[in-house]
Amino acid sequence: TQLLEQSPQFLSIQEGENLTVYCNSSSVFSSLQWYRQEPGEGPVLLVTVVTGGEVKKLKRLTFQFGDARKDSSLHITAAQPGDTGLYLCAGADRGSTLGRLYFGRGTQLTVWP
Amino acid sequence: DTGVSQDPRHKITKRGQNVTFRCDPISEHNRLYWYRQTLGQGPEFLTYFQNEAQLEKSRLLSDRFSAERPKGSFSTLEIQRTEQGDSAMYLCASAGTSGRNSYEQYFGPGTRLTVT
Repeated sequence: TQLLEQSPQFLSIQEGENLTVYCNSSSVFSSLQWYRQEPGEGPVLLVTVVTGGEVKKLKRLTFQFGDARKDSSLHITAAQPGDTGLYLCAGADRGSTLGRLYFGRGTQLTVWP
Repeated sequence: DTGVSQDPRHKITKRGQNVTFRCDPISEHNRLYWYRQTLGQGPEFLTYFQNEAQLEKSRLLSDRFSAERPKGSFSTLEIQRTEQGDSAMYLCASAGTSGRNSYEQYFGPGTRLTVT
């Protein structure tokens, strides 16, 4: 059972455009992580957010954790072809900081030159 | 820091055969996880070790699957009597226990299993 819903599932944009992808759940998470995955490779950790309302920036990427710790968003400014990949959000169960992660299905982003 | 490594990267086997995968975590990490990912899905949790103790197993882990971490370092995942439905990417992740970084799991490159 997937506890995290990601939208959109697919996103195809031109270089230079801005975009936002969403990760939503009815469950509260103790932390939420965003990963990017290339075909045939494992997910690469981009960021971890822990506190409700937390905003983190990583160059052109801005991550936000919802106040209630049930949802998150990833905003990319001026997308580049190198941003192409599968973006996955993953939540750690409330009350468990050391156990399993629950993943969404991901947003497949394609940025065209 | 060499990161998490997995071996082999690809495995093709015939239905009914046994296969074993290996994961070497980041050296100072005492937690190790196995996940499975099928096409179009996010990774799904299989099992979790803290040091050598297997602390949690998913219902996805049928009795044909067994995982070990005998000395609290590397881990193996064995699938007996493979079925076509076992075809997937098997991912290993490791994590430490200190402070904020305890939330963060770092993944290996995965082992792609194809059962024919």
